[in-house]
Amino acid sequence: GDSVTQMEGPVTLSEEAFLTINCTYTATGYPSLFWYVQYPGEGLQLLLKATKADDKGSNKGFEATYRKETTSFHLEKGSVQVSDSAVYFCALSDSLSGAGSYQLTFGKGTKLSVIP
Amino acid sequence: ETGVTQTPRHLVMGMTNKKSLKCEQHLGHNAMYWYKQSAKKPLELMFVYSLEERVENNSVPSRFSPECPNSSHLFLHLHTLQPEDSALYLCASSQEPGLNQPQHFGDGTRLSIL
Repeated sequence: GDSVTQMEGPVTLSEEAFLTINCTYTATGYPSLFWYVQYPGEGLQLLLKATKADDKGSNKGFEATYRKETTSFHLEKGSVQVSDSAVYFCALSDSLSGAGSYQLTFGKGTKLSVIP
Repeated sequence: ETGVTQTPRHLVMGMTNKKSLKCEQHLGHNAMYWYKQSAKKPLELMFVYSLEERVENNSVPSRFSPECPNSSHLFLHLHTLQPEDSALYLCASSQEPGLNQPQHFGDGTRLSIL
């Protein structure tokens, strides 16, 4: 079955540091890939997505490139801020057992804490 | 305004109680989802509704019963829950249950079973 593996957290960085959160996946088909962010006390919000190999998703200074050869979708940001403190989830979308619907498969999440 | 509203935000109930979680989306989407988020575990998809029809993909205990009366509303009826059911329950919606469709999440209901 499909699966998503993220680096274990928590990750603690100083403000303006470079961020990388690794994500690798296994999928039977050609999935779409997503990063979601969850701020304390809130639900998940879509951060960025990529729908095919070599696509780069970007938003709010975050970037991730869909690498089919390494089955990876690592999240990066050049200079993090305190307001980026949250839990980040990597996810893939693939067909739902041929039922004509699609499900999201999530990683376990990586908690990021940015200190001033 | 997230577009997906869940009520209540917090719920404490005994194992013999019956309660319902409510989700409403104001985005005109056709697909709705229930997820369970437990500590240190990936989000677990529980139910998917597409155009008010249920598409089951996981084995969910019968003590959880979903209901989708129309494309804007989704309920999760709870009955005789167990302590391990304590978790954050998230509702989400998407335009269609499609490959490239991002899902929009509510803020969740934090459920505690005594």
